[in-house]
Amino acid sequence: NAGVTQTPKFQVLKTGQSMTLQCAQDMNHEYMSWYRQDPGMGLRLIHYSVGAGITDQGEVPNGYNVSRSTTEDFPLRLLSAAPSQTSVYFCASSNAGELFFGEGSRLTVL
Amino acid sequence: SQELEQSPQSLIVQEGKNLTINCTSSKTLYGLYWYKQKYGEGLIFLMMLQKGGEEKSHEKITAKLDEKKQQSSLHITASQPSHAGIYLCGAETPIKTSYDKVIFGPGTSLSVIP
Repeated sequence: NAGVTQTPKFQVLKTGQSMTLQCAQDMNHEYMSWYRQDPGMGLRLIHYSVGAGITDQGEVPNGYNVSRSTTEDFPLRLLSAAPSQTSVYFCASSNAGELFFGEGSRLTVL
Repeated sequence: SQELEQSPQSLIVQEGKNLTINCTSSKTLYGLYWYKQKYGEGLIFLMMLQKGGEEKSHEKITAKLDEKKQQSSLHITASQPSHAGIYLCGAETPIKTSYDKVIFGPGTSLSVIP
């Protein structure tokens, strides 16, 4: 059972480039979310989804887009990367209980 | 919006000592999670508390949610180097569906000296 899979694990971008962080889960969870983790800041919620076709903003949504066309996938898009988006990104899924996390994606924006 | 605070921000203890980490919410907690993260790695689920006064234990780690459901404490008995890492509390914040979004506190960094 793969759980929550994030790709890529590492990525370096130049300012202004776009990219998509992929997140897939095979547990048939309705709830999925994206967090970013910066030193001393804990995990900050970017966007979340409570089911296919339903997404909403979290605490720090600016600069990020999401969509949820299937239950399994919840990609996070950076349309024009900025150095302030350098961070470690975690995807999580849940069925109204324990949050299951991916292993994280480390993004550096130069 | 709901905010979570954790104290202390960081902690250094001698192996074998007991310690407590606190998590305080600005609003009533409907569900409280504790996670551990080893430095540079992913998150490990420790436990979830939902009822006022609820207490759960896993090996040498005990967590409790107070009766008013605005504060939780995590207690480690006889700490070991394997307990070192960042401890994060997370809280469910009610949204209009049956699923609640989860926000996290800033974390407590624990170091255990052999």
